[in-house]
Amino acid sequence: KAGVTQTPRYLIKTRGQQVTLSCSPISGHRSVSWYQQTPGQGLQFLFEYFSETQRNKGNFPGRFSGRQFSNSRSEMNVSTLELGDSALYLCASSLRTSAGELFFGEGSRLTVL
Amino acid sequence: EDKVVQSPLSLVVHEGDTVTLNCSYEVTNFRSLLWYKQEKKAPTFLFMLTSSGIEKKSGRLSSILDKKELFSILNITATQTGDSAVYLCAVNMNYGGSQGNLIFGKGTKLSVKP
Repeated sequence: KAGVTQTPRYLIKTRGQQVTLSCSPISGHRSVSWYQQTPGQGLQFLFEYFSETQRNKGNFPGRFSGRQFSNSRSEMNVSTLELGDSALYLCASSLRTSAGELFFGEGSRLTVL
Repeated sequence: EDKVVQSPLSLVVHEGDTVTLNCSYEVTNFRSLLWYKQEKKAPTFLFMLTSSGIEKKSGRLSSILDKKELFSILNITATQTGDSAVYLCAVNMNYGGSQGNLIFGKGTKLSVKP
């Protein structure tokens, strides 16, 4: 059974640009959540989607947005990139009744110059 | 403010040692506590705990939750170099059916020397 797939794995952008990251969940998983991981802050929740609806959102500025498609695949977008957005962005999928058991992808490493 | 605190932040041991990792939490609407292992990129699930006093075991790893004192421990016996990783503790809360909103601690970096 294929795991969570994230693309691209690495990318470099400059300040002011925007970026779109993609996540394909495990087959049958309809809940997708996104996390930002930095050395200083650790793993922080960005948002969660289920059935194409955002169910919950973390404490991040409006520059961070996401969406989910009918096949459960999800994308997140960061506009007007700042240096502080450099991080590992992790996507996780879960069953609806998992009570928090998440399956993570390998992440997308974003570097903002 | 909801928070999860792990200690120690880092730990160096030798193969064969037993280690105990700590996780305390202060959250509203607690649903479950989870432990993950992160070796390189993707955290991998270890345990989910929902009830106090019931130990979960998987090989040399075990974990228990105390909901009265709001903490959990993760024990690793007879450590091996392959146990070297960052161990993450996270709490899931009841928010209208939300499943994926976990609050993570900063992690404990475990290094096992041969």
